[in-house]
Amino acid sequence: TQLLEQSPQFLSIQEGENLTVYCNSSSVFSSLQWYRQEPGEGPVLLVTVVTGGEVKKLKRLTFQFGDARKDSSLHITAAQPGDTGLYLCAGDLSNTGKLIFGQGTTLQVKP
Amino acid sequence: KAGVTQTPRYLIKTRGQQVTLSCSPISGHRSVSWYQQTPGQGLQFLFEYFSETQRNKGNFPGRFSGRQFSNSRSEMNVSTLELGDSALYLCASSLGQGIGELFFGEGSRLTVL
Repeated sequence: TQLLEQSPQFLSIQEGENLTVYCNSSSVFSSLQWYRQEPGEGPVLLVTVVTGGEVKKLKRLTFQFGDARKDSSLHITAAQPGDTGLYLCAGDLSNTGKLIFGQGTTLQVKP
Repeated sequence: KAGVTQTPRYLIKTRGQQVTLSCSPISGHRSVSWYQQTPGQGLQFLFEYFSETQRNKGNFPGRFSGRQFSNSRSEMNVSTLELGDSALYLCASSLGQGIGELFFGEGSRLTVL
C-alpha cells in the first residue's frame, strides 16, 4: 500500500489540452514536493508547498496543497510536448527530511 | 557547480553476488539519500546519511546497507543479490537542514540475472 497515491498513473493527451494530476494520502505531511523525471535522468524538483491551502504557480503549472495537508494537485494549462515526463509527488511526514514518493504519473503530450 | 555523480551507470550481476554503488554529492551537501526505483513500486526510500551517520532508514532487508565518508561521498551495498533487486538506484544530495531540494544523480541501473 502506497502512502501517497497518485492518479492517474498514465495520461496521454494532445498538445494544448489541460490536465490535472492528483496526489492523495490519509496522512498529514509537513510539506510536499513535486518532481519531474525524464528518461535516463534523475527527478528534478519543480516546487515545494508547506502551508495548507497554498497555491504556487510556475508558468503554466499550478500546484495546490490541500487545506488539511493530506493531498496536493498539479494542474498544467495548455500542455506542450516538452511537458512529457514522469511527475512525482513526495511528502515529508514529520519534517525529518525523509521523503516518501508517490508512484508517479507518466504524462505524454502528443504534438 | 558539478551535480550528483553516480557510478557505475549500468551493471549486470547474477543472483547471489554482491554489488557496491557509489555517489558523490554536490560540493557542500552533507546529506545523501538513496532510493530504489522500479516500474511497479516507484521510488522507495532506502536510507539517508548525514555527516557520516545514518539518519533515516526505509523498510528494506539487511542485505541493503550503506555508509558515508568524511567527504560526504556515499556508497551503498547489496549483498546476496536477488532477481527482484533489479532496479534503478538513485542517489540524492541536499544541504540536509530541514526540507530542502533533493538533487538527484542519473542513477545506477542494476540488472540481476
